[in-house]
Amino acid sequence: DTGVSQDPRHKITKRGQNVTFRCDPISEHNRLYWYRQTLGQGPEFLTYFQNEAQLEKSRLLSDRFSAERPKGSFSTLEIQRTEQGDSAMYLCASSPGAGEAPNEQYFGPGTRLTVT
Amino acid sequence: DQQVKQNSPSLSVQEGRISILNCDYTNSMFDYFLWYKKYPAEGPTFLISISSIKDKNEDGRFTVFLNKSAKHLSLHIVPSQPGDSAVYFCAARVKTSYDKVIFGPGTSLSVIP
Repeated sequence: DTGVSQDPRHKITKRGQNVTFRCDPISEHNRLYWYRQTLGQGPEFLTYFQNEAQLEKSRLLSDRFSAERPKGSFSTLEIQRTEQGDSAMYLCASSPGAGEAPNEQYFGPGTRLTVT
Repeated sequence: DQQVKQNSPSLSVQEGRISILNCDYTNSMFDYFLWYKKYPAEGPTFLISISSIKDKNEDGRFTVFLNKSAKHLSLHIVPSQPGDSAVYFCAARVKTSYDKVIFGPGTSLSVIP
């Protein structure tokens, strides 16, 4: 079990460019989450996948953001026409998704995006 | 609207003493509360949780206390160790079908040797 991995770890881009991040969850986990974290704040929920289905999107996820999880394995988060306000740490987490008690979410190390 | 609040951005404690991290919440629809710990350059890792029907949960050096009437919970670390130095996030689960979790802003704990 290698844990949740994210790629790239750091991304610097110019305003207006598109960026794509990848998340590889723990292989047997069917739930996958994307979060955004800015300085001094905790992770903020962006979107949730159950297998390949995107079941919930936060109002934080503007039209410029899109996420996919083809075949229920890895996931990508794309930001189009980046703005300086998009600068943040983007975190991915996965969980096995069974049982009444909340399942521990396993987080990746994050992708730090800087928009110049 | 910040539903989970951690009003102390930072806390310093001597090694061996007790660390108490506090958290307040506003939403009565939360059914579980969780604590996550985060080291620099790593993602948060789960530490301990408590159901809203309990008032205490203990796991080794870590104990979480819940006061529902006050909408307040706290994490106690006894004894504190230098390796406990990290950012601690209080989080709460909204009872949905997929474990939607709302995080507080975090408290940075420094344990001084």
